[in-house]
Amino acid sequence: GAVVSQHPSWVICKSGTSVKIECRSLDFQATTMFWYRQFPKQSLMLMATSNEGSKATYEQGVEKDKFLINHASLTLSTLTVTSAHPEDSSFYICSALRDRGTYEQYFGPGTRLTVT
Amino acid sequence: GEDVEQSLFLSVREGDSSVINCTYTDSSSTYLYWYKQEPGAGLQLLTYIFSNMDMKQDQRLTVLLNKKDKHLSLRIADTQTGDSAIYFCAERGNTGGFKTIFGAGTRLFVKA
Repeated sequence: GAVVSQHPSWVICKSGTSVKIECRSLDFQATTMFWYRQFPKQSLMLMATSNEGSKATYEQGVEKDKFLINHASLTLSTLTVTSAHPEDSSFYICSALRDRGTYEQYFGPGTRLTVT
Repeated sequence: GEDVEQSLFLSVREGDSSVINCTYTDSSSTYLYWYKQEPGAGLQLLTYIFSNMDMKQDQRLTVLLNKKDKHLSLRIADTQTGDSAIYFCAERGNTGGFKTIFGAGTRLFVKA
């Protein structure tokens, strides 16, 4: 159990376009999900905390108008990179916090975004 | 703010034990985690330990926690080439919306 999926696993888009990434908890409910960004050979940088039914909480320095987060249900959060630029190219990883027990955090496999 | 530090590289021979160390600053940490990341993949939770525990063993993995020194270690017994990956130490407290703070990751190289 405790599987988190992300779709797509990789995407290439042109500058100026928008890209939506989905994060789903497949077999558990998650009121809270997190979106991370990882640059090559670096650690995970928390971008925002996504809460079902309310606005996301963004970390300092993360543009909320550029990285739109929608947590529409207890099993789905989406991250939309708007007007993408090459510097947005990165590995985006989501995680879901299980709504019971020890509130363990489970990670998705990541989405590699390349903006040309 | 909270910080988690770990060494960046570790190289061991196949069959030896690997020990990856981590220090953290948040004294209110409740859970401490070890994650494994293989190239191009997401994070896999290896094990975790509650802050009221000193040690946890799970097959080839042993986690030691020194809460006084805020030091966490992961020992991998009989290290295999398949263990080559990046290992992230992470901590989470009871405040801040359950945010998890990650270390920079230790890249483990296993030589055959």
